[in-house]
Amino acid sequence: DAGVTQSPTHLIKTRGQQVTLRCSPKSGHDTVSWYQQALGQGPQFIFQYYEEEERQRGNFPDRFSGHQFPNYSSELNVNALLLGDSALYLCASRISGELNTGELFFGEGSRLTVL
Amino acid sequence: DAKTTQPTSMDCAEGRAANLPCNHSTISGNEYVYWYRQIHSQGPQYIIHGLKNNETNEMASLIITEDRKSSTLILPHATLRDTAVYYCIVRVMNTGFQKLVFGTGTRLLVSP
Repeated sequence: DAGVTQSPTHLIKTRGQQVTLRCSPKSGHDTVSWYQQALGQGPQFIFQYYEEEERQRGNFPDRFSGHQFPNYSSELNVNALLLGDSALYLCASRISGELNTGELFFGEGSRLTVL
Repeated sequence: DAKTTQPTSMDCAEGRAANLPCNHSTISGNEYVYWYRQIHSQGPQYIIHGLKNNETNEMASLIITEDRKSSTLILPHATLRDTAVYYCIVRVMNTGFQKLVFGTGTRLLVSP
């Protein structure tokens, strides 16, 4: 049973560029969240997707956008990259409804470096 | 979500019990206590959660005080692989789209 998978694992971009990160949730999960983790800090919630819609959003600018596909996989897009966007981007999935215990399953993350 | 307070770092000898404290004095009656850990360069991993009763699973035990204002995560026999940052989080369960609010956690170092 595959867990949460993310790609790419590492990438380097320059300021002003755009980046797309991808996530496949754990089998059977239908809800995907994205978190940003700067060096030395705890993960910070970006947004959550369910039924292909953004359901909740953290304190991140509109440069951060996402998408969820019918197969529950998700993408995180960041436009006009800034140096401060350098971070580990984590995807987490869970199942909704009565089977939800509140436990999130995280992927290994995509480490983005902006030069 | 209620705020949590954890020590910045702790040390533990291999084979001994690691007791990680967490204060959550503003916790609401319907908020659960969750513990996650993050081993270096990996994604966070769920450990355990509880409401008011003590909980135990194959990874750890969770002791919640009677007034629910604090809790302790216990790793009964710490190993070197338990070296990680441990996050204590309080949140309401089953409200659909609740996010996790991470603090800076406790960095546990298990030494030989």
